[in-house]
Amino acid sequence: AQSVTQLDSHVSVSEGTPVLLRCNYSSSYSPSLFWYVQHPNKGLQLLLKYTSAATLVKGINGFEAEFKKSETSFHLTKPSAHMSDAAEYFCVVSGGAGNMLTFGGGTRLMVKP
Amino acid sequence: SQTIHQWPATLVQPVGSPLSLECTVEGTSNPNLYWYRQAAGRGLQLLFYSVGIGQISSEVPQNLSASRPQDRQFILSSKKLLLSDSGFYLCAWSVDSSSYNEQFFGPGTRLTVL
Repeated sequence: AQSVTQLDSHVSVSEGTPVLLRCNYSSSYSPSLFWYVQHPNKGLQLLLKYTSAATLVKGINGFEAEFKKSETSFHLTKPSAHMSDAAEYFCVVSGGAGNMLTFGGGTRLMVKP
Repeated sequence: SQTIHQWPATLVQPVGSPLSLECTVEGTSNPNLYWYRQAAGRGLQLLFYSVGIGQISSEVPQNLSASRPQDRQFILSSKKLLLSDSGFYLCAWSVDSSSYNEQFFGPGTRLTVL
């Protein structure tokens, strides 16, 4: 069994300030972990993924995430927020038969000018 | 390169009417295919997945069904829609069942049942 908890349903930051979106997971397997972004009425786009290689993963658009096994966390960060980063972000764990994805509840990121 | 298409993009249907949503993938063979539903303000719920033609697994019992008549075609259907079927439906594909492989999502279909 596996689960994902995104600790904040909404995060608001000012443009140019750092972004931190928090994610904790549990899994019976050695997990693969992903962050996806969804803009309004759009599909999901992969930001980055962790698959048991380097624990610090760099993704698109300046995002990165660090896998911390001891803390069962996979937080998403970005040094400087842009207005275009405003969207819904999903932390996802993969595992089990059929490559099932388990989604967190999502975090809505708002960026203020 | 691989692409995934969904249609229609939006749909408004009366309660009790039938439903057919289509998803097609280009540029790959024998993909795993998935249907998700996203209710307003909530995360994604896996509805069905398929590892091959004619092979469908259902994750949630409901009045929806899925079919895979061709390798790269995945259809979501209903004989009679309910109000609770409203939502954003997303189709996705992956290379295989390895947990290392991410899923790629289509643009989605916004379904409103009145």
